[in-house]
Amino acid sequence: EIVLTQSPGTLSLSPGEKATLSCRASQSVGSSDLAWYQQRPGQAPRLLIYGASSRATGIPDRFSGSGSGTDFTLTISRLEPEDFALYYCQQYGASRTFGQGTKVEIK
Amino acid sequence: EVQLLESGGGLIQPGGSLRLSCTASGFTLTSYAMSWVRQTPGKGLEWVSAISGSFTYYADSVKGRFTTSTDSSKNTVYLQMNSLRAEDTALYYCTKGSANYRPYYFDYWGQGTLVTVSS
Repeated sequence: EIVLTQSPGTLSLSPGEKATLSCRASQSVGSSDLAWYQQRPGQAPRLLIYGASSRATGIPDRFSGSGSGTDFTLTISRLEPEDFALYYCQQYGASRTFGQGTKVEIK
Repeated sequence: EVQLLESGGGLIQPGGSLRLSCTASGFTLTSYAMSWVRQTPGKGLEWVSAISGSFTYYADSVKGRFTTSTDSSKNTVYLQMNSLRAEDTALYYCTKGSANYRPYYFDYWGQGTLVTVSS
């Protein structure tokens, strides 16, 4: 099973700042089969990024994904108030596993 | 508009059974892989099962106890959960796959239905 480790556990930032979230896999994720999801309090997860770097429909361009192999990054260029939430990475190449999440909180 | 509406959760004693339902609208359910994903505060998000055409797949933690199926006439996917354990307590989400074959990501999620296994 591919284990995904997200860091940091919590990111404390101010609106307008840049957020950089990391997701590291225990073995290579084939064909960049990696997705990122956002979960706001009381809501279901929402797809942000798939294929490591493709934005889902309706996702603002301040969200971007990058990486390949075992190291992946989600970047939020300028945090808006609605971006303070939990973020999960997920690999879907070999079965399906999720990272433990990164919380982006208001500083 | 794609929508997924889960139902069937509740409080059940250990060893009991429960059937979750997920009714889809805005797309034909059997044209896509459908999965169940559960969430707990302690273990986070965990994929539970998937159905793609006539093929079903299960996490090791539920294999032999859970069964997923579809009813195309109702555009509904089910999760039959037997021999429930305390560790099955979670919020269960129904998810739509981006395709009917692997690899696929989860492009739509329902709002979830809560299952509590306790005596």
